[in-house]
Amino acid sequence: AQKVTQAQTEISVVEKEDVTLDCVYETRDTTYYLFWYKQPPSGELVFLIRRNSFDEQNEISGRYSWNFQKSTSSFNFTITASQVVDSAVYFCALSEAPTGANSKLTFGKGITLSVRP
Amino acid sequence: ETGVTQTPRHLVMGMTNKKSLKCEQHLGHNAMYWYKQSAKKPLELMFVYNFKEQTENNSVPSRFSPECPNSSHLFLHLHTLQPEDSALYLCASSQVSFARRANYGYTFGSGTRLTVV
Repeated sequence: AQKVTQAQTEISVVEKEDVTLDCVYETRDTTYYLFWYKQPPSGELVFLIRRNSFDEQNEISGRYSWNFQKSTSSFNFTITASQVVDSAVYFCALSEAPTGANSKLTFGKGITLSVRP
Repeated sequence: ETGVTQTPRHLVMGMTNKKSLKCEQHLGHNAMYWYKQSAKKPLELMFVYNFKEQTENNSVPSRFSPECPNSSHLFLHLHTLQPEDSALYLCASSQVSFARRANYGYTFGSGTRLTVV
């Protein structure tokens, strides 16, 4: 069974602060995929990153960075110098490698980030 | 535009109505999904279709009936819904390879916000 835990529910920061969103996952599979999505107030889910279990390199994309630690089953997301436009709900998600006919994506409960001017 | 189009964007229906939600993907993906997002609840997987075949029904009540006529189109037929079914319904597609056990990522539509009165 696959499970994603986002222990933080709501985070509020002032603009230009750095913020880290935590994600812990559970899976029995050795091959799996981790994702982060952003959901702004308009509702659509915006893809941010996909990482497979064999690639533990951390990734940086502009103000966004991700820290993948297999030893602690964590895939944390850091926003540097946050901006008001970063205000949204952020979801971490896990998909075990497709087997048979199964290819489902399991989400955490999401973290509501509010960035104040 | 993400490549996954959902219509309508908003829908208000009475409990005795019958309506359908439509999802269309132009990405050449081979798997499609319905998710439900209720207020203050995590995203819940409802149905999974791989290569047009339903491979997952996550204990969804029979008042929700999915249909996947081809790999590009997915419908969710609704009848005799309850007020608690009011939610954001999200469609997604992905490209999976069962042979390689690879998932190349999920793309979501903008969702249909359903209100049952």
